[in-house]
Amino acid sequence: GQNIDQPTEMTATEGAIVQINCTYQTSGFNGLFWYQQHAGEAPTFLSYNVLDGLEEKGRFSSFLSRSKGYSYLLLKELQMKDSASYLCAVRDDNAGNMLTFGGGTRLMVKP
Amino acid sequence: EAGVTQFPSHSVIEKGQTVTLRCDPISGHDNLYWYRRVMGKEIKFLLHFVKESKQDESGMPNNRFLAERTGGTYSTLKVQPAELEDSGVYFCASGLGGGTDTQYFGPGTRLTVL
Repeated sequence: GQNIDQPTEMTATEGAIVQINCTYQTSGFNGLFWYQQHAGEAPTFLSYNVLDGLEEKGRFSSFLSRSKGYSYLLLKELQMKDSASYLCAVRDDNAGNMLTFGGGTRLMVKP
Repeated sequence: EAGVTQFPSHSVIEKGQTVTLRCDPISGHDNLYWYRRVMGKEIKFLLHFVKESKQDESGMPNNRFLAERTGGTYSTLKVQPAELEDSGVYFCASGLGGGTDTQYFGPGTRLTVL
């Protein structure tokens, strides 16, 4: 089976930087995804990592270490609209194309 | 380009009734997935279609759930008869497949079984 852990809640200040961690255990790792989900809306794709290292997309970056089973999502220059849940999901070669999700991290950005 | 759409957005039914959820994937996406999030839990996989064929239905909870994708376009997920524990948000996602196979999600259908 797979186990994906991420913090339940985080709070940060507008304009600051926040790092959301995700650890996973999987037998046939084949990619890690980050999604953003505002309440009542569709999870929106943010990033994909399959090789070690940092992927940067504007204010958002995602890092992966396969040897440590660890990823983080880094959000810079936080804006109020970044308040949302952030979902970490892993794809496993031994489980087809399905994604296995963590419970999500609810981020609150305060003025 | 239109995203993944789902209908209805909300459904409230009584235990024992039947409900059918619909998903329209992004045009051209052969891969279609159903997921479910029950209260307080993480999103969990239900099944995966490639065109009209069921590729993986290992996540379907029991035989009260029936998914179809006739013609390989839209998909339906029928729950019959519904039970209280079926309450949750049902998400559909679609993708092109291939290496990255990013899955694009719809807004979900919130199902409440009373």
